Amino acid sequence: EAQVTQNPRYLITVTGKKLTVTCSQNMNHEYMSWYRQDPGLGLRQIYYSMNVEVTDKGDVPEGYKVSRKEKRNFPLILESPSPNQTSLYFCATRRSGANVLTFGAGSRLTVL
Amino acid sequence: QKEVEQDPGPLSVPEGAIVSLNCTYSNSAFQYFMWYRQYSRKGPELLMYTYSSGNKEDGRFTAQVDKSSKYISLFIRDSQPSDSATYLCAMTAGGGNKLTFGTGTQLKVEL
Repeated sequence: EAQVTQNPRYLITVTGKKLTVTCSQNMNHEYMSWYRQDPGLGLRQIYYSMNVEVTDKGDVPEGYKVSRKEKRNFPLILESPSPNQTSLYFCATRRSGANVLTFGAGSRLTVL
Repeated sequence: QKEVEQDPGPLSVPEGAIVSLNCTYSNSAFQYFMWYRQYSRKGPELLMYTYSSGNKEDGRFTAQVDKSSKYISLFIRDSQPSDSATYLCAMTAGGGNKLTFGTGTQLKVEL
Protein backbone atom coordinates (compact mmCIF):
# COMPACT_ATOMS: atom_id res chain seq x y z
CA GLU A 1 0.00 0.00 0.00
CA ALA A 2 1.29 3.46 -0.97
CA GLN A 3 2.06 5.34 2.22
CA VAL A 4 3.53 8.52 3.60
CA THR A 5 4.35 7.89 7.26
CA GLN A 6 4.98 10.67 9.74
CA ASN A 7 6.19 10.36 13.31
CA PRO A 8 5.36 11.41 15.92
CA ARG A 9 1.67 12.07 15.29
CA TYR A 10 1.35 14.16 18.43
CA LEU A 11 4.05 15.93 20.40
CA ILE A 12 4.10 18.45 23.23
CA THR A 13 7.47 20.00 23.89
CA VAL A 14 9.01 23.08 25.49
CA THR A 15 10.68 26.10 23.97
CA GLY A 16 14.22 25.44 22.84
CA LYS A 17 14.21 21.65 22.98
CA LYS A 18 15.36 20.34 19.61
CA LEU A 19 13.02 17.94 17.88
CA THR A 20 12.75 16.03 14.63
CA VAL A 21 9.60 15.00 12.79
CA THR A 22 10.27 12.10 10.49
CA CYS A 23 8.65 11.43 7.12
CA SER A 24 9.04 8.25 5.11
CA GLN A 25 7.44 7.25 1.79
CA ASN A 26 7.34 3.90 -0.02
CA MET A 27 6.33 5.18 -3.48
CA ASN A 28 9.84 5.93 -4.78
CA HIS A 29 8.81 9.55 -5.34
CA GLU A 30 11.53 12.07 -6.12
CA TYR A 31 9.70 15.10 -4.71
CA MET A 32 8.97 15.53 -0.99
CA SER A 33 7.70 18.56 0.87
CA TRP A 34 6.73 19.81 4.31
CA TYR A 35 3.71 22.00 5.01
CA ARG A 36 2.26 23.56 8.10
CA GLN A 37 -1.47 24.12 8.48
CA ASP A 38 -2.84 26.89 10.67
CA PRO A 39 -6.43 28.15 11.07
CA GLY A 40 -7.21 30.92 8.61
CA LEU A 41 -3.84 30.55 6.89
CA GLY A 42 -4.28 27.17 5.23
CA LEU A 43 -1.39 25.02 4.07
CA ARG A 44 1.93 26.79 3.75
CA GLN A 45 5.03 25.17 2.34
CA ILE A 46 8.07 25.08 4.62
CA TYR A 47 10.70 23.24 2.59
CA TYR A 48 10.76 20.93 -0.38
CA SER A 49 13.17 18.50 -1.99
CA MET A 50 13.30 17.68 -5.69
CA ASN A 51 15.55 14.67 -5.08
CA VAL A 52 18.29 13.28 -2.82
CA GLU A 53 20.61 16.03 -1.57
CA VAL A 54 18.48 18.72 -3.30
CA THR A 55 16.42 20.89 -0.94
CA ASP A 56 15.00 24.39 -1.15
CA LYS A 57 13.02 26.86 0.93
CA GLY A 58 9.29 27.18 0.65
CA ASP A 59 7.20 30.11 1.84
CA VAL A 60 7.82 29.84 5.61
CA PRO A 61 11.27 28.24 6.19
CA GLU A 62 12.38 30.30 9.20
CA GLY A 63 13.11 28.16 12.26
CA TYR A 64 13.20 24.88 10.34
CA LYS A 65 15.84 22.66 8.75
CA VAL A 66 15.56 19.64 6.48
CA SER A 67 17.82 17.05 4.97
CA ARG A 68 17.39 14.49 2.19
CA LYS A 69 20.07 11.83 2.45
CA GLU A 70 17.86 9.01 1.19
CA LYS A 71 15.08 9.07 -1.35
CA ARG A 72 12.46 7.68 1.02
CA ASN A 73 13.11 9.95 4.04
CA PHE A 74 12.72 13.69 4.54
CA PRO A 75 12.96 14.71 8.20
CA LEU A 76 11.91 18.13 9.47
CA ILE A 77 14.15 19.54 12.19
CA LEU A 78 13.25 22.26 14.67
CA GLU A 79 16.56 23.24 16.25
CA SER A 80 15.07 25.58 18.86
CA PRO A 81 11.28 25.37 18.76
CA SER A 82 9.23 28.41 19.74
CA PRO A 83 5.50 28.71 20.55
CA ASN A 84 4.77 30.20 17.11
CA GLN A 85 5.76 26.83 15.63
CA THR A 86 2.78 25.21 17.32
CA SER A 87 0.94 23.85 14.32
CA LEU A 88 -0.22 20.83 12.34
CA TYR A 89 2.55 19.58 10.05
CA PHE A 90 2.15 17.54 6.89
CA CYS A 91 4.67 15.75 4.76
CA ALA A 92 3.69 15.29 1.11
CA THR A 93 5.21 13.57 -1.91
CA ARG A 94 4.71 13.30 -5.66
CA ARG A 95 6.41 11.83 -8.69
CA SER A 96 8.76 14.08 -10.58
CA GLY A 97 6.71 16.14 -13.07
CA ALA A 98 3.36 15.16 -11.54
CA ASN A 99 1.02 17.74 -10.03
CA VAL A 100 -0.86 15.72 -7.43
CA LEU A 101 0.51 15.49 -3.90
CA THR A 102 0.01 12.55 -1.54
CA PHE A 103 -0.07 13.62 2.10
CA GLY A 104 0.84 11.94 5.34
CA ALA A 105 -1.61 11.82 8.24
CA GLY A 106 -0.10 14.85 9.96
CA SER A 107 1.90 15.62 13.09
CA ARG A 108 0.36 17.93 15.67
CA LEU A 109 3.07 19.83 17.49
CA THR A 110 2.57 21.99 20.56
CA VAL A 111 5.45 24.12 21.83
CA LEU A 112 4.97 25.48 25.36
CA GLN B 1 -4.39 39.80 -1.56
CA LYS B 2 -4.05 36.03 -1.42
CA GLU B 3 -3.34 34.18 -4.64
CA VAL B 4 -6.24 31.81 -3.92
CA GLU B 5 -9.35 32.84 -2.00
CA GLN B 6 -11.74 30.34 -0.44
CA ASP B 7 -14.67 30.98 1.88
CA PRO B 8 -13.80 29.24 5.18
CA GLY B 9 -17.38 28.52 6.17
CA PRO B 10 -18.45 26.68 8.21
CA LEU B 11 -21.17 25.54 5.85
CA SER B 12 -23.98 23.46 7.32
CA VAL B 13 -26.49 21.69 5.05
CA PRO B 14 -29.15 18.99 5.50
CA GLU B 15 -28.54 15.50 4.19
CA GLY B 16 -29.45 15.22 0.51
CA ALA B 17 -28.71 18.87 -0.30
CA ILE B 18 -26.62 20.02 -3.22
CA VAL B 19 -23.45 21.67 -1.99
CA SER B 20 -21.45 24.24 -3.91
CA LEU B 21 -17.88 25.04 -2.84
CA ASN B 22 -15.87 27.71 -4.60
CA CYS B 23 -12.44 29.25 -5.01
CA THR B 24 -11.23 32.29 -6.87
CA TYR B 25 -7.65 32.89 -7.91
CA SER B 26 -5.54 35.65 -9.38
CA ASN B 27 -2.68 33.86 -11.18
CA SER B 28 -3.61 33.32 -14.83
CA ALA B 29 -0.77 30.80 -15.18
CA PHE B 30 -2.66 28.19 -13.14
CA GLN B 31 -3.76 25.32 -15.39
CA TYR B 32 -4.19 22.32 -13.09
CA PHE B 33 -6.87 22.39 -10.45
CA MET B 34 -7.54 20.03 -7.60
CA TRP B 35 -9.94 19.52 -4.76
CA TYR B 36 -8.73 17.78 -1.63
CA ARG B 37 -10.92 16.49 1.18
CA GLN B 38 -9.58 16.53 4.72
CA TYR B 39 -11.30 14.69 7.53
CA SER B 40 -10.61 15.71 11.12
CA ARG B 41 -7.20 14.46 12.33
CA LYS B 42 -6.29 13.22 8.84
CA GLY B 43 -4.18 14.42 5.95
CA PRO B 44 -5.74 15.91 2.80
CA GLU B 45 -6.67 13.34 0.17
CA LEU B 46 -7.23 14.03 -3.52
CA LEU B 47 -10.88 14.17 -4.52
CA MET B 48 -10.92 15.70 -8.01
CA TYR B 49 -8.24 16.71 -10.54
CA THR B 50 -8.91 18.78 -13.65
CA TYR B 51 -6.90 20.44 -16.36
CA SER B 52 -7.83 23.83 -17.84
CA SER B 53 -11.47 24.91 -18.22
CA GLY B 54 -14.48 22.63 -18.24
CA ASN B 55 -16.33 20.13 -16.10
CA LYS B 56 -15.39 16.75 -14.66
CA GLU B 57 -17.81 14.41 -12.97
CA ASP B 58 -17.08 11.52 -10.63
CA GLY B 59 -20.09 9.97 -8.97
CA ARG B 60 -21.79 12.58 -6.79
CA PHE B 61 -18.96 15.07 -7.32
CA THR B 62 -18.54 17.57 -10.17
CA ALA B 63 -15.58 19.89 -10.54
CA GLN B 64 -15.98 22.97 -12.69
CA VAL B 65 -13.27 25.35 -13.88
CA ASP B 66 -13.84 28.73 -15.51
CA LYS B 67 -10.43 30.11 -16.38
CA SER B 68 -11.84 33.26 -17.95
CA SER B 69 -13.34 34.21 -14.58
CA LYS B 70 -10.54 32.61 -12.53
CA TYR B 71 -13.17 30.65 -10.62
CA ILE B 72 -13.44 26.99 -9.72
CA SER B 73 -16.25 25.07 -8.08
CA LEU B 74 -16.94 21.70 -6.54
CA PHE B 75 -20.53 20.46 -6.49
CA ILE B 76 -21.65 17.62 -4.25
CA ARG B 77 -25.02 16.07 -5.08
CA ASP B 78 -27.13 14.15 -2.56
CA SER B 79 -24.79 15.13 0.25
CA GLN B 80 -24.21 12.59 3.02
CA PRO B 81 -23.04 12.95 6.63
CA SER B 82 -19.85 11.18 5.53
CA ASP B 83 -19.13 14.21 3.30
CA SER B 84 -18.60 16.30 6.44
CA ALA B 85 -15.00 17.45 6.14
CA THR B 86 -12.86 20.41 5.14
CA TYR B 87 -12.51 20.88 1.39
CA LEU B 88 -9.34 22.47 0.06
CA CYS B 89 -8.90 23.78 -3.44
CA ALA B 90 -5.40 23.66 -4.90
CA MET B 91 -3.89 24.77 -8.18
CA THR B 92 -0.62 24.96 -10.05
CA ALA B 93 0.85 26.12 -13.31
CA GLY B 94 2.30 22.62 -13.72
CA GLY B 95 5.78 21.65 -14.81
CA GLY B 96 7.00 21.03 -11.29
CA ASN B 97 5.73 24.28 -9.81
CA LYS B 98 4.35 24.11 -6.31
CA LEU B 99 0.71 23.73 -5.42
CA THR B 100 -1.05 26.80 -4.06
CA PHE B 101 -3.86 25.98 -1.66
CA GLY B 102 -7.00 27.76 -0.56
CA THR B 103 -7.58 27.97 3.19
CA GLY B 104 -10.33 25.34 3.08
CA THR B 105 -14.11 25.31 3.56
CA GLN B 106 -15.49 23.35 6.50
CA LEU B 107 -18.64 21.45 5.52
CA LYS B 108 -21.08 19.76 7.87
CA VAL B 109 -23.89 17.61 6.48
CA GLU B 110 -26.56 17.06 9.10
CA LEU B 111 -29.09 14.23 9.37
